[in-house]
Amino acid sequence: DIQMTQSPSSLSASVGDKVTITCRASQSIRSYLNWYQQKPGKAPNLLIYAASSLQSGVPSRFSGSGSGTDFTLTISSLQPEDFATYYCQQTYSIPTTFGQGTRLEIK
Amino acid sequence: EEQLVESGGGLVQRGGSLRLSCAASRFTFSTYWMHWVRQAPGKGLEWVANIKPDGSEKYYVDSVKGRFTVSRDNAKNSLYLQMTSLRAEDTAVYYCARARAGAMDTVDYWGQGTLVTVSS
Repeated sequence: DIQMTQSPSSLSASVGDKVTITCRASQSIRSYLNWYQQKPGKAPNLLIYAASSLQSGVPSRFSGSGSGTDFTLTISSLQPEDFATYYCQQTYSIPTTFGQGTRLEIK
Repeated sequence: EEQLVESGGGLVQRGGSLRLSCAASRFTFSTYWMHWVRQAPGKGLEWVANIKPDGSEKYYVDSVKGRFTVSRDNAKNSLYLQMTSLRAEDTAVYYCARARAGAMDTVDYWGQGTLVTVSS
């Protein structure tokens, strides 16, 4: 199975900050990489698919980049509603696997 | 707006069985790959199983193979997960989820989840 490793595991930031979360795959997954946001007690929400495509309805401050084994999720200017946990997911091979999550907290 | 509503969760003893259901509405259920994804308390997401729109292909994470069975009834717009030989490590919130149109594994819509607790 492909292992997905996110860094950092947790992050403190302030409203208005630019934030970058990294996801690394244990082998090349080309661009088969998604990003999800999850708030406490809620189901995840798809933000980015195919590494860099913005899901409909997701604010443009979210962006994704990368290919192969290294990927990033960037939030250009943090808003209060962005404090949540973020997961990457590879869909290159079965089983699809998720990273361990990055918890984004208010500084 | 699309809707997925899970049911069937609860408390079960180790070794027991449980059947989860997911009722889909407001989209053409029969044309989408469907998934079960779980999340143990305080932990991350783990994909469990998926099923092709016509039910002809099914895939499972290794830890549930031989114990869990995913199925669907397109006439009833419903997805199921039959769970047997349950273990303490199966304790989790189980989400029913829909893949993006034309995709297999990118989930774009999730239910609210149903909690399964396996007591030892």
